[in-house]
Amino acid sequence: DAKTTQPPSMDCAEGRAANLPCNHSTISGNEYVYWYRQIHSQGPQYIIHGLKNNETNEMASLIITEDRKSSTLILPHATLRDTAVYYCIVRVEQGGSEKLVFGKGTKLTVNP
Amino acid sequence: AAGVIQSPRHLIKEKRETATLKCYPIPRHDTVYWYQQGPGQDPQFLISFYEKMQSDKGSIPDRFSAQQFSDYHSELNMSSLELGDSALYFCASSYEGRGDTEAFFGQGTRLTVV
Repeated sequence: DAKTTQPPSMDCAEGRAANLPCNHSTISGNEYVYWYRQIHSQGPQYIIHGLKNNETNEMASLIITEDRKSSTLILPHATLRDTAVYYCIVRVEQGGSEKLVFGKGTKLTVNP
Repeated sequence: AAGVIQSPRHLIKEKRETATLKCYPIPRHDTVYWYQQGPGQDPQFLISFYEKMQSDKGSIPDRFSAQQFSDYHSELNMSSLELGDSALYFCASSYEGRGDTEAFFGQGTRLTVV
C-alpha cells in the first residue's frame, strides 16, 4: 500500500508556481521521497527525489519538512505542458528491492 | 540519452491467447520493474528483477511470468489472456534498485484483449 496522501486535484495559473503537497507521516528514516508525473497514458516521468534536505533540479524543487512527515513539490513557473498527474512516492525497501508504490496522485491542471 | 525501450508499443490479442512484452533497460541498469495500469487506475507493481534474479513480487497473476536475461533485458509473458488484462504495461529500470537511485520508465505497451 502507498504510504503517501495527496490532494486528488489542484489548479494553477500558467506562469505561477505550483505547490503540490504530500503527507507521508509513517516514513522511515532511510526511505526516500520521490516525485513522478504522468502525462496522459505516457510512462511516468521522474521529477526529483530527496531524503532529508531540500533538493532542486531543472524541473522542480522538493521541500521536505524537518520531521520528514510531509513534503512539497514546487514547479516554479508552471506551463500548460505541466498538466499531469503527480505522484508522491515513498520508496519502500522490501526484500532487497526498492520498488515504487504508486498512490492516487494529484491531478494538476495548469490553466491559461 | 538512452531511455527504457519497450516493445511492442501496441498489442491486440484475443482471449486465451499468449502475449510477450519486452523491456530493454537503460545501459548499465541492472534492475527492472514491471507495472500494470488499467483504465483510470494508478500503476500497480507486478514484479522486479535485480541482476537477473527476481527481487520482489507484487500483484502478478499466476498466468503471468517474467524473467531477466543476461543482457539485462526483461520479458513479461502473459498466458490465457483475459479481457481484464487489457491495460498499459510499463517497465522501469534503475541501477542496483537502491532507494537513492532513480528509476526511469519506458513509454509502455498498450495491450488490448478482445
